[in-house]
Amino acid sequence: EVQLVESGGGLVQPGGSLRLSCAASGFTFSSYAMTWVRQAPGKGLEWVSTIGGRGVFTYYADSVRGRFAISRDNSKNTLYLQMNSLRAEDTAVYYCARADGDLTGHLDVWGKGTTVTVSS
Amino acid sequence: DIQMTQSPSTLSASVGDRVTITCRASQSISSWLAWYQQKPGKAPKLLIYKASTLESGVPSRFSGSGSGTEFTLTISSLQPADFATYYCQQHDSYSLTFGGGTKVEIK
Repeated sequence: EVQLVESGGGLVQPGGSLRLSCAASGFTFSSYAMTWVRQAPGKGLEWVSTIGGRGVFTYYADSVRGRFAISRDNSKNTLYLQMNSLRAEDTAVYYCARADGDLTGHLDVWGKGTTVTVSS
Repeated sequence: DIQMTQSPSTLSASVGDRVTITCRASQSISSWLAWYQQKPGKAPKLLIYKASTLESGVPSRFSGSGSGTEFTLTISSLQPADFATYYCQQHDSYSLTFGGGTKVEIK
């Protein structure tokens, strides 16, 4: 079964850091680009970052560029999102999703999400 | 960045109604458009990709059309399970963007 499971969310103070993980199973992880999408409480979906299948190419939304870093370990079938200098507006459910392609594509598999709350 | 504008933002309809949601791109995205359904507390679910291709397992009452800058999602006969929020998303560029969402409510 194709599956994505996020972890690492929690409560963090403004200015703090957090690392999210997304464990993938049931497919050839390195063949797909992977994406983080977030959803603030009561709001719509916002793309955060994408990494190519080989981990060479990375793309970021303007709202997180310079603060967040996406990475992957294809030997562990795991995607990461290192989040630094967190702000209140980063509070959201963070989903990892598989893109149907090596660099981009529609998002055909989603995890259930992990919640990040930035508050003092 | 490519902007995606969905309309309406809210739609009230009854079971059995035909429902149409529109998504407009700020520039041409060819057919690189997907539609997702999201229910409260759940992850989004892919319905349609490449503007008009139905994802496996999605009921045939869902259909998509359009190319360039104008796209539509149609539900031919609304069912109770279809009350949800729908999002369009472009992947013509590496910077993905979503529409603001359309909430389909019970009339």
